Formats: sequence, C-alpha cells, structure tokens
Amino acid sequence: GAGVSQSPSNKVTEKGKDVELRCDPISGHTALYWYRQRLGQGLEFLIYFQGNSAPDKSGLPSDRFSAERTGESVSTLTIQRTQQEDSAVYLCASSLDLGDEQFFGPGTRLTVL
Amino acid sequence: SQKIEQNSEALNIQEGKTATLTCNYTNYSPAYLQWYRQDPGRGPVFLLLIRENEKEKRKERLKVTFDTTLKQSLFHITASQPADSATYLCALDPTGGFKTIFGAGTRLFVKA
Repeated sequence: GAGVSQSPSNKVTEKGKDVELRCDPISGHTALYWYRQRLGQGLEFLIYFQGNSAPDKSGLPSDRFSAERTGESVSTLTIQRTQQEDSAVYLCASSLDLGDEQFFGPGTRLTVL
Repeated sequence: SQKIEQNSEALNIQEGKTATLTCNYTNYSPAYLQWYRQDPGRGPVFLLLIRENEKEKRKERLKVTFDTTLKQSLFHITASQPADSATYLCALDPTGGFKTIFGAGTRLFVKA
C-alpha cells in the first residue's frame, strides 16, 4: 500500500469498555510495531511482531493490553476495561525487516472518559 | 537506569541559521541511533540513522554526529527554514534488538 494506515483515527470510549485498534502495514514489511504517545511525551514501545516469530510483548503496560497479527498483514491492538490513563495516541509502524527504518501511521487518538 | 534525554525546552531560531539539537543517553550501548521528525497530529517520519562506527552522517541540509564516548548525538539543520519547524525525536535500539526507545523530542521553531 501507499503507507501505513490506522483505524479509527479517533476513538472516544467510556471507562471500563474494551477497544480495538487496527493497523495495516505497508505490503511486504515483515516487522510491525505498536507505540503509545501521551500528550507532550515521547513514544513508549508496546510490542513488535516480526514474521512468524513470537512477538516481543515486554512493553505492554498491563495484561489488559494484547495484540495480534495475522501473518505479515493486519494487526490489532486490544485494550480491555479501559482506564483514563490509557488515553493517548497509539501509533503503529512497519519496516521491511527488524532494525530497518520504521514507517509510521497517523495514529489513533484514544480518549477514555 | 537507562534513559534518553532531549532538551525539553523549545528551540527558537531565525531562518537561515543552523539549528543544533542534542540527544544524550545513559546506560545504553546502542549499535545505532536514529532521528525522526514529528509534526503535530502526525506520526514520526524517519530522517537519518547513524551507526556506532560512524562519527558523522549527512543528508542534504541535515547532519548527525554520534559520540559513543560522550553517549551523545547532535542533530544539525543548516540554512534552517520555517518549514523545518517540528518536533525532532532521537531513538535507539539498546540491545541490538528491536525494542526501539524514543526520547521525548525537542520542539524547533524557525522564524522567518
């Protein structure tokens, strides 16, 4: 595809609800990353996938967060029982291979009321 | 503890001048370091990567240095333009793996 796409672009939810965020990487990119960016702060690594290898989940902040990726395509980040502190922009990036230049999507802005 | 530090204060410079941004890190021995640009409401865009065995790298008006002794990278924009106004992030992969760690970024304003 032309670039990394994410949906929805904005999501407002109530505390306690589950949300699912989607990322479509660039076709052919084997590596996919999820980050969280709180207002005025840097990017916080959450998880990465590479090919069919087990994902590195070491950055996930709690067991309410999970992510899946189907092969080398779409990924979904799920946050269960959302809390207000989950409010942030969630960014997805993909790269040709691990360690290569990362191409970022526009992000999903999540607001938990 | 391991951390990356970038100047949290915004940098204001006049058009045509050289902007210099600093990235310091502690307790890492990264194989390489990257710089990204981020505009408001958008994802970061990759600019340059410099490896530990490279002292300096250039791309058009951009120059990056990497001092592994000082644990510091400097990012320079020469002949700056108002369109260069953005937040600049440095990032590194601390283990030679792929859990990229980002600094909080420095906001640059270039005045016409």
